[in-house]
Amino acid sequence: EIVMTQTPLSLSVTPGQPASISCKSSQSLLHSDGKTYLYWYLQKPGQSPQLLIYEGSNRFSGVPDRFSGSGSGTDFTLKISRVEAEAVGVYYCMQSIQLPITFGQGTRLEIK
Amino acid sequence: EVQLVESGGGLVQPGGSLRLSCAASGFTFSSYWMSWVRQAPGKGLEWVANIKEDGSEKYYVDSVKGRFTISRDNAKNSLYLQMNSLRVEDTAVYYCARPVVYWGQGTLVTVSS
Repeated sequence: EIVMTQTPLSLSVTPGQPASISCKSSQSLLHSDGKTYLYWYLQKPGQSPQLLIYEGSNRFSGVPDRFSGSGSGTDFTLKISRVEAEAVGVYYCMQSIQLPITFGQGTRLEIK
Repeated sequence: EVQLVESGGGLVQPGGSLRLSCAASGFTFSSYWMSWVRQAPGKGLEWVANIKEDGSEKYYVDSVKGRFTISRDNAKNSLYLQMNSLRVEDTAVYYCARPVVYWGQGTLVTVSS
């Protein structure tokens, strides 16, 4: 099983300031097809998770360009260039290169 | 618009059974793998099971193997999760998902005496 480790587990950010979340996998998420099977989700309070970033660095449709994903192999980062109130919630990374699909523990972001 | 609507959750005693359903619309259901993912109260996300487009392949997390069965009816655009021998630790919100993009709103399963 691929273990996904997120840091930090919580963030408190002043509006307008940047934020960054790290996700490390225990095995490479680069497939032989050239794709990287790493995804980022935001779960807002009381809602189901919503996709932000797919295949490591591709912003999903409708996601503000304040959100960006980077990284390769086993080390990945989600960055928010300017945190706004709507960014509050829990962020999860997920890998789907190998079953079982596994998630990071989640990073809770709150506004100062 | 893609919609996934779960139903069938509720309160059940340890050792009991429950069948969850997911009604899909807004896309060609028979063309996609489907999944169940769960989230225990106040906890993170845990993938539970996957099923191939035609139902010919099924995969489960170790903790539910032999107790849960994922199935689908492409004619009815529906996904199911039959849960037997339920344990207290199976208590969670169960989400139906079309990997990796679309999730339903979830249905709560509570296993308690």
